[in-house]
Amino acid sequence: DAGITQSPRHKVTETGTPVTLRCHQTENHRYMYWYRQDPGHGLRLIHYSYGVKDTDKGEVSDGYSVSRSKTEDFLLTLESATSSQTSVYFCAISEGPGRSEQYFGPGTRLTVT
Amino acid sequence: AQTVTQSQPEMSVQEAETVTLSCTYDTSESDYYLFWYKQPPSRQMILVIRQEAYKQQNATENRFSVNFQKAAKSFSLKISDSQLGDAAMYFCAYRAMNRDDKIIFGKGTRLHILP
Repeated sequence: DAGITQSPRHKVTETGTPVTLRCHQTENHRYMYWYRQDPGHGLRLIHYSYGVKDTDKGEVSDGYSVSRSKTEDFLLTLESATSSQTSVYFCAISEGPGRSEQYFGPGTRLTVT
Repeated sequence: AQTVTQSQPEMSVQEAETVTLSCTYDTSESDYYLFWYKQPPSRQMILVIRQEAYKQQNATENRFSVNFQKAAKSFSLKISDSQLGDAAMYFCAYRAMNRDDKIIFGKGTRLHILP
């Protein structure tokens, strides 16, 4: 299994509070991704990173920001959580150009009340 | 824009039987990858099988095989000798070959294995 961990694994928070989810990898892969999974939608890309300090938006990036200061860590921040951001969040990694597979972390279940 | 469609929200199969999950996709790209991912109740996303669009030969991985029809933009997954551990949500997914951003996922098919 690819060395990907996510923390926390579960979180309950209140509307309007900031939340940061962490993805940590031990594979030294260049690319990292954040997806959210919702019933009826499959997985949708929030943001991704193609190197330290290099990030770009995915299809559902509104309300989210990311940061990557080290190769191994990719942070997802909800500046002011809303109930619509209740979801399961997955981090994924990929080696980069020419490597097709993305490997997924175990997921974080976030509930915003 | 690329899309991936799984028309079967749920399916059931008797243990030891064979089942086929359907997937169609739409793209204007000529080079791409197609995947099937499995998500068991543990929620972990597990890569089951991968197909490169330039390869005519269908990919196989033990009891899992695909029927890749490039002209029809169809990519079905066949599971032979179904086992109880195959019960999961299965996602069909697409990725353009020369891009490194997202994988596009279908909405999934939940597979039940009947003992």
